[in-house]
Amino acid sequence: ETGVTQSPTHLIKTRGQQVTLRCSSQSGHNTVSWYQQALGQGPQFIFQYYREEENGRGNFPPRFSGLQFPNYSSELNVNALELDDSALYLCASSPPGLAYTDTQYFGPGTRLTVL
Amino acid sequence: AQTVTQSQPEMSVQEAETVTLSCTYDTSESDYYLFWYKQPPSRQMILVIRQEAYKQQNATENRFSVNFQKAAKSFSLKISDSQLGDAAMYFCAYRSAIPPNQFYFGTGTSLTVIP
Repeated sequence: ETGVTQSPTHLIKTRGQQVTLRCSSQSGHNTVSWYQQALGQGPQFIFQYYREEENGRGNFPPRFSGLQFPNYSSELNVNALELDDSALYLCASSPPGLAYTDTQYFGPGTRLTVL
Repeated sequence: AQTVTQSQPEMSVQEAETVTLSCTYDTSESDYYLFWYKQPPSRQMILVIRQEAYKQQNATENRFSVNFQKAAKSFSLKISDSQLGDAAMYFCAYRSAIPPNQFYFGTGTSLTVIP
């Protein structure tokens, strides 16, 4: 069984640019969530996708957007990058079922640095 | 919104000894799940243990056990017979029963294991 994978591992962008981060969910998982983890902090929920639809969003501006594809892989897009967007971005997937009973399985993350 | 508090930014334990990491949370919900995740320096989050709020019995996974006090909204993690590989950042997390069943994470406790 393949775990959650993310690409790229590291990324350096400049302020104002746009970035796309990618996530492949664990086999059989149809729910994907994205988190932002600033240095020394716990992960903060950005949004969640279930069967290609966004079904929940945290306190992040609209310039953070996402997609989920029919194979349940997902993208996180961030427009107009700001210095404070520098963080580790984590993707997590969950299997079908009673949603809140399920554990999320995390990928290794993408380290984004905005200069 | 739910909040999760980990009041111990850093903890240390001698190898083979026992250590307890603290976590409190604030919620008005009656049903939810609680988790402890471990994030080693390689950064991939790994599930340590989870607890269903409706269960009074404390969860146990090998050397890891929890002390769940629902009325006090407390969820501590006990690591017995600590090993060098236990050194990591530990995050306490709350998962809401209300869609989108969002996870809320604490700020983490950095555990050092002393040989």
